[in-house]
Amino acid sequence: GNSVTQMEGPVTLSEEAFLTINCTYTATGYPSLFWYVQYPGEGLQLLLKATKADDKGSNKGFEATYRKETTSFHLEKGSVQVSDSAVYFCALSFSGGGYNKLIFGAGTRLAVHP
Amino acid sequence: KAGVTQTPRYLIKTRGQQVTLSCSPISGHRSVSWYQQTPGQGLQFLFEYFSETQRNKGNFPGRFSGRQFSNSRSEMNVSTLELGDSALYLCASSVRTSGELFFGEGSRLTVL
Repeated sequence: GNSVTQMEGPVTLSEEAFLTINCTYTATGYPSLFWYVQYPGEGLQLLLKATKADDKGSNKGFEATYRKETTSFHLEKGSVQVSDSAVYFCALSFSGGGYNKLIFGAGTRLAVHP
Repeated sequence: KAGVTQTPRYLIKTRGQQVTLSCSPISGHRSVSWYQQTPGQGLQFLFEYFSETQRNKGNFPGRFSGRQFSNSRSEMNVSTLELGDSALYLCASSVRTSGELFFGEGSRLTVL
């Protein structure tokens, strides 16, 4: 079946460090891929998305590239801030199943210290 | 612009009871989706409504149901509650079917 696997957290970094959160997927077909973020006490927010292979999604300094050959969508940021502390979710969906029917990974908690 | 509003935010029920959760989407959003979040199973899709019609359904038993009203507000109902139904129930709205969802803060249900 279709699924998303994320690296286990928590990920603990110092401010200005480089961030990578790994995400790989298993899918029959060619899904759209998303990163959502959940800040403490808030609902999930869409961070970025990519709809086809080799697309790069970017937002707020975060980037992720849709890699069909490795079925991956790793999230990266060059210099994290304390305000980036949150839980990050990788997700996929298909047009046939309805793009709003998202399949989420387990989430990766990021803690950034000053 | 007001975000997605879910009520109640917290509730406690006992096994066998039923519960109704409410969601008011962002103004102009016609799609409403519901997700269940638990520590063990993570985020799982329950169903999606668009213009009062259920467009998608996840793999949950028939005890879980929902509906959408003409003003796009949505409710979900869980009957004959079980301990395993304890979870955070998240509602999300969107303008169209694009995967770009706007989530509420959720309704945390505890079943005793």
